[in-house]
Amino acid sequence: QLVLTQSPSASASLGASVKLTCTLSSGHSNYAIAWHQQQPEKGPRYLMKLDSDGSHSKGDGIPDRFSGSSSGAERYLTISSLQSEDEADYYCQTWGTGIHVVFGGGTKLTVL
Amino acid sequence: EVQLVESGGGLIQPGGSLRLSCAASGFTVSSNYMSWVRQAPGKGLEWVSLIYSGGSTYYAGSVKGRFTISRDTSRNTLYLQMSSLRAEDTAVYYCARAKTGTIGSFDYWGQGTLVTVSS
Repeated sequence: QLVLTQSPSASASLGASVKLTCTLSSGHSNYAIAWHQQQPEKGPRYLMKLDSDGSHSKGDGIPDRFSGSSSGAERYLTISSLQSEDEADYYCQTWGTGIHVVFGGGTKLTVL
Repeated sequence: EVQLVESGGGLIQPGGSLRLSCAASGFTVSSNYMSWVRQAPGKGLEWVSLIYSGGSTYYAGSVKGRFTISRDTSRNTLYLQMSSLRAEDTAVYYCARAKTGTIGSFDYWGQGTLVTVSS
């Protein structure tokens, strides 16, 4: 069974950088994922698709401050030059034949 | 421009039925894999159902046998027929489009429609 694990919370200061992690369960380290942002009281917004080799393709209008990287079973979302509007929940998500669609539990990012 | 607009949510009694709609524009619903995703109050995102471009359908275990996903290409609209509704189905329901060439890399989301199951 494929499981995506995210830390429930993270925090970083305004103007700093933060790296969020999404971990694929054992045996699934080759899966691509997508990162989504959900600001308070809003629907999810697609940030990027992130492949196992670290290549990523961002959604329309996503700033260069958002980037993705991969290492083994870990998938990362790095946000640089943090702004107040980056305070949001961040979800990773994957898909595949048989597993259909799986979401991580989400990370709540607080900008200090 | 791709847009997804959900409708059909509301207050419904336990055991009742409801049909959600997701009107698409800027692309054809039958060309991409499409899903319904829900979010219970204060909780994370939960995948509900998926329809392949070829028409195959799949469901989360929690809704299998009660929910039916479908699409109408003439109206370019995705549907979710929900029956035997339970309190735990209370959530905001989103439709989402999968990026072309993927089953579930959701590159566009609707704004959501709230379903409240309560007596």
